[in-house]
Amino acid sequence: NAGVMQNPRHLVRRRGQEARLRCSPMKGHSHVYWYRQLPEEGLKFMVYLQKENIIDESGMPKERFSAEFPKEGPSILRIQQVVRGDSAAYFCASSPSGVGYEQYFGPGTRLTVT
Amino acid sequence: QKEVEQNSGPLSVPEGAIASLNCTYSDRVSQSFFWYRQYSGKSPELIMSIYSNGDKEDGRFTAQLNKASQYVSLLIRDSQPSDSATYLCAVKTGNTGKLIFGQGTTLQVKP
Repeated sequence: NAGVMQNPRHLVRRRGQEARLRCSPMKGHSHVYWYRQLPEEGLKFMVYLQKENIIDESGMPKERFSAEFPKEGPSILRIQQVVRGDSAAYFCASSPSGVGYEQYFGPGTRLTVT
Repeated sequence: QKEVEQNSGPLSVPEGAIASLNCTYSDRVSQSFFWYRQYSGKSPELIMSIYSNGDKEDGRFTAQLNKASQYVSLLIRDSQPSDSATYLCAVKTGNTGKLIFGQGTTLQVKP
């Protein structure tokens, strides 16, 4: 049973470019969460999605960041006009249901903005 | 006050000893509690979940929850050098699915 998959594993972008991070949940899981881990900081929740719905985006920066989880295909976290402060590890987690279930993390995408 | 607090460590224990990791949380209505292990440069790996007061054992790991004291702990028996990692306490509150993480405790197990 494949785990949570994320790609790319490493992404380098220049300031001002766009970054697209993809996440495919575990088989049988329909809930996806995105977290960010800045260097020397803890994991911070960004957004919680189900298929075609954003359930909780309370952790998303107000500008430049967006997320989607379409009916078909992976969940995508999109960062427009990246800045150096966006350099971080972005982790996706999935669960079979939102509340009361354990979340399993993917390997993460390490974003470096030059 | 941080929502989830952990001592950052490092906590150093000799091989074979018991490692005790502690976590406190601020929201009294928190319902679900998790311990994740994160090796340097890797993603968090779920090792324990606990939902009700008391102890929960899984192999060398025991999670303890005391909701009255808003306290959750993780005991690792017979610690091994391979247990050296950062241990993250995570709390789920209310109807949202999001996890609130502590800063993590770095554990060093010395041979």
